[in-house]
Order: sequence, then structure tokens, then C-alpha cells
Amino acid sequence: AQSVAQPEDQVNVAEGNPLTVKCTYSVSGNPYLFWYVQYPNRGLQFLLKYITGDNLVKGSYGFEAEFNKSQTSFHLKKPSALVSDSALYFCAVRDILNTDKLIFGTGTRLQVFP
Amino acid sequence: KAGVTQTPRYLIKTRGQQVTLSCSPISGHRSVSWYQQTPGQGLQFLFEYFSETQRNKGNFPGRFSGRQFSNSRSEMNVSTLELGDSALYLCASSLGQGVDEQYFGPGTRLTVT
Repeated sequence: AQSVAQPEDQVNVAEGNPLTVKCTYSVSGNPYLFWYVQYPNRGLQFLLKYITGDNLVKGSYGFEAEFNKSQTSFHLKKPSALVSDSALYFCAVRDILNTDKLIFGTGTRLQVFP
Repeated sequence: KAGVTQTPRYLIKTRGQQVTLSCSPISGHRSVSWYQQTPGQGLQFLFEYFSETQRNKGNFPGRFSGRQFSNSRSEMNVSTLELGDSALYLCASSLGQGVDEQYFGPGTRLTVT
């Protein structure tokens, strides 16, 4: 079955420090992986995606994510966190060859402290 | 380009009523998906339409239905509303299917009393 897990409900980090938001997935075929961010009272905004190719994917607002097939992970990273990065982050996976549904994780709230 | 728009933004209904939510995708986008977001269940996939055809459906009861028009605009309908249907309903559009990223609207906040 297709699934995605975000093991941390909340991540706290000081401004200027690197941040990591974790995501692991399970699909029977090749995964198509996405990260989205949701600010209060707003819809989701696309950050980046992995389809194929280079395992390190760069996205919007200085975010990047590393695809690790052996660990079935797709962690979101940023070298230097900003207070304005505080938001709810969602990882999502799509299994094109099987269910072809975009399934979201439960979300991780990122809190960046000044 | 204008983003995804959803109307209305807020809605209050009573149990047993029905409701129709509307979504206008980004110009040129042919795929529209709907999601339900609640604090307890997170983001749940409802259905996906492409060129007026329902391509995929989530695990929701038949009270939840949708359609897509020839101009790619989409509506979703919930009949016989229950208290548990209170949620933020998000619409997302994408250029095509599969690997294309989705662009989300601001959502419709439905409250059922």
C-alpha cells in the first residue's frame, strides 16, 4: 500500500541554524515525491519535487530535499532557517503505476525562534 | 496568471443540508483535485478530474460527489451534511497528471452545525 510518514509533529529550530523536516514513504513502484508548505489560513504552496535523476532537489525559498532510495526517505532541508519559515510542512507521494493518488503525510509544524 | 480560486471562502450549514463548492483552476490547467483537511485526519484525497473525467477517487462515502466542466472549472457537492463534514476543503489544479505539481486554492471553510 502507498503511504507517507512524517515522524515529527513539530520541529523547533533557532533562526540561522540548519533545519531538517523528515519524511519517509512506502510505494510499490517508483515514487514521485513532493513537499508543500501551508501558512496560516492559506492553501498549500508547492516547494519542490523529485521525479527522477539527481537525488538532491532544490526548490523555492532556499529549501532542498534529498531522495534516499535505500532508506525510502525524502527529508526537507535548509542551511539557515528564517523566522518566516515557520509554517506547516507536508510531504506527499504519488505512485503513478499503481493507485496514482497523491497521498499526504500528517504534516510537521516548523517553529523557528529568533 | 491568476491562481486557483475557490468560492465561497466560508460557509455555515446545518445537518442534513447539502452544499456545493466551486473551484476555478489556473488558466490552462486541465486537472483538478479536491482534498478535505481536518485537524484529526489531516489532508484526505477526495477525487481528481482530468478533462471532465473522474480519474481517481478517495475513500469517502457517496454523499461526496464532484464534476468538472469543459472549461476545467470544478464543483464538489456534499449531500446530507453531517457534523463530521466540517473541514477546510481544498482544491488544487495542475497542468496535466502524475508528475505535475499541484497548485492549491485558499480553501473553503465549511462548518456544519
